[in-house]
Amino acid sequence: EPEVTQTPSHQVTQMGQEVILRCVPISNHLYFYWYRQILGQKVEFLVSFYNNEISEKSEIFDDQFSVERPDGSNFTLKIRSTKLEDSAMYFCASMETGGRSPLHFGNGTRLTVT
Amino acid sequence: GNSVTQMEGPVTLSEEAFLTINCTYTATGYPSLFWYVQYPGEGLQLLLKATKADDKGSNKGFEATYRKETTSFHLEKGSVQVSDSAVYFCALSITRQGAQKLVFGQGTRLTINP
Repeated sequence: EPEVTQTPSHQVTQMGQEVILRCVPISNHLYFYWYRQILGQKVEFLVSFYNNEISEKSEIFDDQFSVERPDGSNFTLKIRSTKLEDSAMYFCASMETGGRSPLHFGNGTRLTVT
Repeated sequence: GNSVTQMEGPVTLSEEAFLTINCTYTATGYPSLFWYVQYPGEGLQLLLKATKADDKGSNKGFEATYRKETTSFHLEKGSVQVSDSAVYFCALSITRQGAQKLVFGQGTRLTINP
């Protein structure tokens, strides 16, 4: 069964550094998402992306965050200048069509900011 | 606003015990409701869903019924197995402009002892 893949599985970075988290969504999917889960807390919506633009973003997704679909297969989340509080598990998800189709999640990237 | 409240964990049961994990929600409009499961070291997997009132979602022996009158979507299984040990997330989805946005509960860690 096709799946969403995320790399790396674990990323350690120093505060203030830029980090790029990578995702390969399922190939025929049209909607793409990033969620994050700070340890011990809820899974939170960050951003949704459709037709090469952001369709919705949360208040967490400030100017330090950006997303890109550079080549039609990858979907990346960039954090420009990481803070300690960005440490979390980041999940990528994709959805085939709009409406009530299910989201398919990747295994996540654990980001640790030191 | 939209929110999901789940039963506090962790929950520990013996094999073959009956399982209930409570979930209630607050939503504007008519959300779809989901249970996702996260096995150790893996991503979020859709376990079951219900898209309208009185629908019952079921999968792998798990069931949940969309109860609009009590705004609930409790997860049940008649006889749990060790392999059911995981974190379970209740979620609702709101669809806007075709894009689905999931709002998650805090997750309930379930441990099944042999």
